[in-house]
Amino acid sequence: GENVEQHPSTLSVQEGDSAVIKCTYSDSASNYFPWYKQELGKGPQLIIDIRSNVGEKKDQRIAVTLNKTAKHFSLHITETQPEDSAVYFCAASMSAAGNKLTFGGGTRVLVKP
Amino acid sequence: KAGVTQTPRYLIKTRGQQVTLSCSPISGHRSVSWYQQTPGQGLQFLFEYFSETQRNKGNFPGRFSGRQFSNSRSEMNVSTLELGDSALYLCASSRYWTSGFPDRFFGPGTRLTVL
Repeated sequence: GENVEQHPSTLSVQEGDSAVIKCTYSDSASNYFPWYKQELGKGPQLIIDIRSNVGEKKDQRIAVTLNKTAKHFSLHITETQPEDSAVYFCAASMSAAGNKLTFGGGTRVLVKP
Repeated sequence: KAGVTQTPRYLIKTRGQQVTLSCSPISGHRSVSWYQQTPGQGLQFLFEYFSETQRNKGNFPGRFSGRQFSNSRSEMNVSTLELGDSALYLCASSRYWTSGFPDRFFGPGTRLTVL
């Protein structure tokens, strides 16, 4: 089955700096890659997603890039703010598997003021 | 509109007991997926129900089961609880049974502690 690896597991950045989280996936049939942010006591919340026919997508301070050949995708957060502190998860899914998501292990991001 | 509701939010059980968790999806959503979240294993897919039928299943023992009702509400049951079943159980609702749509929303989870 699909396997998603995520790095780093923890990331500490100064407010205003950029943060980058990287994920690799194993199954070339995966075609949808969402990113989730999970705050303490809450369920994961979708922050951005990308489909396999797109190489890059941006939404304000957040961007995601996808390299299908290398089977990796990355989350970029620019101008980080203290409220960006949370755990971030990448995930992969494929059309044949319905809504099944395979998650990466998560990255705990701490933005220091 | 109201989000995904999970009840109860917290639960304490002892080994050998069974437990039932409930998930009410967003109105109009017909798919409910369940995930187990633990510090060691991360987020793992349990199963998905769409229109009262189980459409997909993860790699969990048969002690984990679920069902979906005609109003799309879903329950999951864990029998003969083990210490390792302690986890946050999350459900997510979606309108369709297909990936690629950003309409999957997670509930706040049920925190199960097995003593």
